[in-house]
Amino acid sequence: DSGVTQTPKHLITATGQRVTLRCSPRSGDLSVYWYQQSLDQGLQFLIQYYNGEERAKGNILERFSAQQFPDLHSELNLSSLELGDSALYFCASSPTGEVGQPQHFGDGTRLSIL
Amino acid sequence: AQKITQTQPGMFVQEKEAVTLDCTYDTSDQSYGLFWYKQPSSGEMIFLIYQGSYDEQNATEGRYSLNFQKARKSANLVISASQLGDSAMYFCAMREGRAKDMRFGAGTRLTVKP
Repeated sequence: DSGVTQTPKHLITATGQRVTLRCSPRSGDLSVYWYQQSLDQGLQFLIQYYNGEERAKGNILERFSAQQFPDLHSELNLSSLELGDSALYFCASSPTGEVGQPQHFGDGTRLSIL
Repeated sequence: AQKITQTQPGMFVQEKEAVTLDCTYDTSDQSYGLFWYKQPSSGEMIFLIYQGSYDEQNATEGRYSLNFQKARKSANLVISASQLGDSAMYFCAMREGRAKDMRFGAGTRLTVKP
């Protein structure tokens, strides 16, 4: 158990809809990361937050947004969903976001778009 | 440009034998971190081992060791005394000092035979 909690584990929805994925980091970790894993793109970094502030942005679509709340949990919002958004979405956390700190991953949310 | 290369899509190893999973990387930074993760068929991402670019000793964690050859830009994972539970996808990843994201390789699927 990594200590990172993601909900829900599975999500099935239709094209055009909006969903919210939730992540609680490990106790004491201030930095949260979101990743997307798909068969064609592999593991892609989406966005990083540190103590409520956005720190880095990767290959995140404009239809996607995220935030980190004062209690340090984070949410990833996906809107106007397309078939290609079907993927496994991971949240990870680390203490302060420094390069040398391993990121510990949650179990992921598997999103299926019908 | 591809930053992390894992050239072995699949590997087989006999139980109790050692196996080496290859990883090469590309960076012009002096400061960077290299990571290996394991993803079993259940989907979670499990952190295995970390090597910093300034570390002079190869990292070891139990049955896992990292064969770090800085001049060749390689960071191969060695698993000793393979177990059936080691069957999984293995990902090499790098985080550069100036970049904020972590880049992953395409992964190697390891199958341990009884």
